[in-house]
Amino acid sequence: IQLTQSPSSLSASVGDRVTITCRASQGISSYLAWYQQKPGKAPKLLIYAASTLQSGVPSRFSGSGSGTDFTLTISSLQPEDFATYYCQQLNSYPRTFGQGTKVEIK
Amino acid sequence: QVQLQQWGAGLLKPSETLSLTCAVYGGSFSSYYWNWIRQPPGKGLEWIGEINHSGSTNYNPSLKSRVTISVDTSKNQFSLKLSSVTAADTAVYYCARVLREQLSGKIYYYMDVWGKGTTVTVSS
Repeated sequence: IQLTQSPSSLSASVGDRVTITCRASQGISSYLAWYQQKPGKAPKLLIYAASTLQSGVPSRFSGSGSGTDFTLTISSLQPEDFATYYCQQLNSYPRTFGQGTKVEIK
Repeated sequence: QVQLQQWGAGLLKPSETLSLTCAVYGGSFSSYYWNWIRQPPGKGLEWIGEINHSGSTNYNPSLKSRVTISVDTSKNQFSLKLSSVTAADTAVYYCARVLREQLSGKIYYYMDVWGKGTTVTVSS
């Protein structure tokens, strides 16, 4: 299953609302997770089951969608949110990731 | 607090076998799938494969002919071997735990704990 994220990169300011889209090449129900990765670090789980917030993750992060179309929203971008974000499907094997969306400072 | 500590050779020559190990500290080893993921320099994440405590495996078909993932439950460790490496296998390799959770009658999986990563370079 191929996952296509859009945009590949974006520039935003602190306080902005940011939305990242992940589209699956076939239906994956809600078997989607979102991760945040900062340079030189391992990915960090943000959202699983498409919309369930991982414990300890700030509530400004939210996820939605089902089937083939999913979104990750950051309601008010904070300085520590500048990073690359990946979606991942866990509906079937092989597990696959989107190509990533880099969120940069405007 | 579960932690994954990984190690292995960081510099290989073409045709050699990559070997990495990941140890699980501070939590149960059973009831989870243990995964390997890699990330070439400047690129995205690629899932390599996984194993559970009983040795059941799933592999990425793109690497299956060269990959072996094994488990040592006595040490709470799992390992990755990738044979016949080339420069294309140069990457940061991560180990990760896949957690299984039931929500609204469905079983969901996600990677909730990751190792710090091991940089592997293949060069002659």
